Amino acid sequence: AQTVTQSQPEMSVQEAETVTLSCTYDTSESDYYLFWYKQPPSRQMILVIRQEAYKQQNATENRFSVNFQKAAKSFSLKISDSQLGDAAMYFCAYRITKNTGNQFYFGTGTSLTVIP
Amino acid sequence: DAGVTQSPTHLIKTRGQQVTLRCSPISGHKSVSWYQQVLGQGPQFIFQYYEKEERGRGNFPDRFSARQFPNYSSELNVNALLLGDSALYLCASSLALSIPEAFFGQGTRLTVV
Repeated sequence: AQTVTQSQPEMSVQEAETVTLSCTYDTSESDYYLFWYKQPPSRQMILVIRQEAYKQQNATENRFSVNFQKAAKSFSLKISDSQLGDAAMYFCAYRITKNTGNQFYFGTGTSLTVIP
Repeated sequence: DAGVTQSPTHLIKTRGQQVTLRCSPISGHKSVSWYQQVLGQGPQFIFQYYEKEERGRGNFPDRFSARQFPNYSSELNVNALLLGDSALYLCASSLALSIPEAFFGQGTRLTVV
C-alpha cells in the first residue's frame, strides 16, 4: 500500500529565513513521482515542485528545493528566503507512473506560518 | 486561459439528501479526478475519469458515483448523505493519463447537517 507521512503538523519560520518540511513515503514501486503542493486559505492546491524517482538530481524551483533520498524514501522540501505569501498548508504527494492518471496519495499536511 | 472550475463553491445539505457537484477541466484536458478532503486531512482519491471512462476508484461506498461528459466536464454525485460526508471536494484535471501534473480547482465545501 502507498502511504505518505508528514510528521510535522505545524511549522513556523521567520521571514527571510529557511525552513524544511519533512515527508516520508512507503511504496514497493520503483518508478513514481513525488510532489509538494501548497494549499492557501483560498483552498486551491498549487503545485510547488515535482521530482521523478528515476532522477538522482534534486529538483529546484526558485526558492524551493527538495532533498530526495530514494533509499530512505524521504522527500523533504526546503523553502529559502521565506516570504509572507509562503504561509499555507503544504502537502506531500506521491503518484506511480503506470499510466494510471492522476491518482495522488497525499500526506496529512504541514501548516506553515511565516512570522514577519 | 481558465483554470479548473468547480460549482457550487459552498453547499449545505441535510442528512439523507442527494448532491451533485460539477467540475470543468482546463481546456484540452481529458482526465478528471475527484478527491475528498476532510478537515485537517490530506485529500483522498475518489474517482478518476479519462475520455469518459472510469479509470480508477478509491475506497468509497457505492453512494458515491461520477461521470464525465463528451466535453470532458464531470459530475460527482453523492446519495443518502451522511454527516461524515462533510468535506471539501476537489476536482483535478490533467492533459492525459501519462502526464504527471494535475491542476486543482478551488473545491466545493459541502456541509451535511
